[in-house]
Amino acid sequence: DGGITQSPKYLFRKEGQNVTLSCEQNLNHDAMYWYRQDPGQGLRLIYYSQIVNDFQKGDIAEGYSVSREKKESFPLTVTSAQKNPTAFYLCASRAQVSGGSNTQYFGPGTRLTVL
Amino acid sequence: LAKTTQPISMDSYEGQEVNITCSHNNIATNDYITWYQQFPSQGPRFIIQGYKTKVTNEVASLFIPADRKSSTLSLPRVSLSDTAVYYCLVGALNAGNNRKLIWGLGTSLAVNP
Repeated sequence: DGGITQSPKYLFRKEGQNVTLSCEQNLNHDAMYWYRQDPGQGLRLIYYSQIVNDFQKGDIAEGYSVSREKKESFPLTVTSAQKNPTAFYLCASRAQVSGGSNTQYFGPGTRLTVL
Repeated sequence: LAKTTQPISMDSYEGQEVNITCSHNNIATNDYITWYQQFPSQGPRFIIQGYKTKVTNEVASLFIPADRKSSTLSLPRVSLSDTAVYYCLVGALNAGNNRKLIWGLGTSLAVNP
């Protein structure tokens, strides 16, 4: 059953701690994305990666870090430098099709709460 | 970058057709128009995508006028399970291209019995 998985579903952390959110896909997609969603808001792009071992900052990258060592995996670390980390985090992937439509497929999300 | 504007909320009743219009005045030549559906605490789900004229699939239709400055998502005969937030996106994400999708606030659709 192909798709994108994110774990855990809910995550609690104390202030000052780093935490890593997992995102795995078996769709053989080249591109992967991390978004943040706050209540009543749309999605804001944190980081994206179009190919293994390469990634780019999105609109709100400060306080976050990523890695892309494998095509299937794109973990996001929320560091203690992120001022307001409590949010709903969404991972997405996309087949790299040049010149065509580019649909993103999303995981179920991880809700991070900082206590 | 393209920006979308859509109503904040809409109400409907079961069995009715719902049309949600999105305006995107500065759409670029290469931009596609995509609609997503999102339920609370879930990831957005792709509904439909189009470039011009009309696109139809098993769940919705998308109408795009010739100037492409707006688009209308049409949901035929909605049910209670269609209660969700609907996002209109304009943009293109081609390989090697730094353009990105800008997510607006979405339209919260409430379907009543």
